[in-house]
Amino acid sequence: GAGVSQSPSNKVTEKGKDVELRCDPISGHTALYWYRQSLGQGLEFLIYFQGNSAPDKSGLPSDRFSAERTGGSVSTLTIQRTQQEDSAVYLCASSLRTGGEKLFFGSGTQLSVL
Amino acid sequence: KQEVTQIPAALSVPEGENLVLNCSFTDSAIYNLQWFRQDPGKGLTSLLLIQSSQREQTSGRLNASLDKSSGRSTLYIAASQPGDSATYLCAVRSNSNSGYALNFGKGTSLLVTP
Repeated sequence: GAGVSQSPSNKVTEKGKDVELRCDPISGHTALYWYRQSLGQGLEFLIYFQGNSAPDKSGLPSDRFSAERTGGSVSTLTIQRTQQEDSAVYLCASSLRTGGEKLFFGSGTQLSVL
Repeated sequence: KQEVTQIPAALSVPEGENLVLNCSFTDSAIYNLQWFRQDPGKGLTSLLLIQSSQREQTSGRLNASLDKSSGRSTLYIAASQPGDSATYLCAVRSNSNSGYALNFGKGTSLLVTP
């Protein structure tokens, strides 16, 4: 596609429910990142995928968070048993490969946990 | 851990003024530094990418400089326009074993008034 696509753009859920956020990177980009942006905070790194290599999960805040990337393209970020502190904008980005390349970001998913 | 600080947090200028946004980072062992723009409700757009071996990058009315040894970068915007109003984010990629993640500052919110 022309850019990084994320869905849904907004998600409202109840505390304790599971949610899935989707990211469709730019075609041909092998590197994919998930970030979280909380109100008044900087962007927080969550997870990184590069091709078929094992993902870098060092930024995931708890074991309720997981992500997968199927076929080296679309990625899904799953949050289980959501908590109110999970409310944030979840941003996905992709780049041609890791290293010195520019990152291209999607518009994000605004998650609100009630 | 790499800490990225942006000053000022907010800035308001009249149209036509030249302005400088500041970014500082604590660990000078960086791979590259990027400046991004974020419009309300939108994702991030990469403006300029400076590799660690470079001193500056220019794009149109934007000029970004990098002084790695002092841990500083500046984004210079010439002849500001109301359309430049946005939040500007600085992000650093470090030379670490898990150097995939960008460390972001909290941003400078810029308002250019007509």
